[in-house]
Amino acid sequence: TQLLEQSPQFLSIQEGENLTVYCNSSSVFSSLQWYRQEPGEGPVLLVTVVTGGEVKKLKRLTFQFGDARKDSSLHITAAQPGDTGLYLCAGENTGNQFYFGTGTSLTVIP
Amino acid sequence: KAGVTQTPRYLIKTRGQQVTLSCSPISGHRSVSWYQQTPGQGLQFLFEYFSETQRNKGNFPGRFSGRQFSNSRSEMNVSTLELGDSALYLCASSFSPVPNTEAFFGQGTRLTVV
Repeated sequence: TQLLEQSPQFLSIQEGENLTVYCNSSSVFSSLQWYRQEPGEGPVLLVTVVTGGEVKKLKRLTFQFGDARKDSSLHITAAQPGDTGLYLCAGENTGNQFYFGTGTSLTVIP
Repeated sequence: KAGVTQTPRYLIKTRGQQVTLSCSPISGHRSVSWYQQTPGQGLQFLFEYFSETQRNKGNFPGRFSGRQFSNSRSEMNVSTLELGDSALYLCASSFSPVPNTEAFFGQGTRLTVV
């Protein structure tokens, strides 16, 4: 059973397009993180959100934590080939268990 | 400063054998977590150690075990290997238990069981 479901699972877009990745759960999370993983490498932390409704921006990336702290989204504006990778959400639930999402594989075509 | 080092990078083992993987955290980090990554199941939490004590454990069989040494280096062991244990095993280190501080991942050990 996956506590954190991500959608879409795969995404292939042209350079310059916008996209949104979703991370959904029926469980409440005390905090949620987003990572990007490139082939042959471990995941690298992009952001941590802790407050319901919180929005954080990292250059062209916008992260939002749902009001009920059960879901999150990652929006990328004007995607670039360097954004290609596996995007993972991860969170700690109220039982101190840390889970990763199912992942979204993004390919940005030049 | 040096990142998280995992050894070996690649490993091929036969069913029924056992294997030990090593993780050297970033200097000063006392928390080490282990994850298994497969195409079908994604990234799954194995266990977390902090100051030589197992703080948390995922839902894996007892064949999977780990330990942490006084210098914070950690090892994980898988006994009686099964084909389904083939995966990328990732180690992450942090100053204190996740997710309170940022975790830094190593490049992983790619284990293939034949």
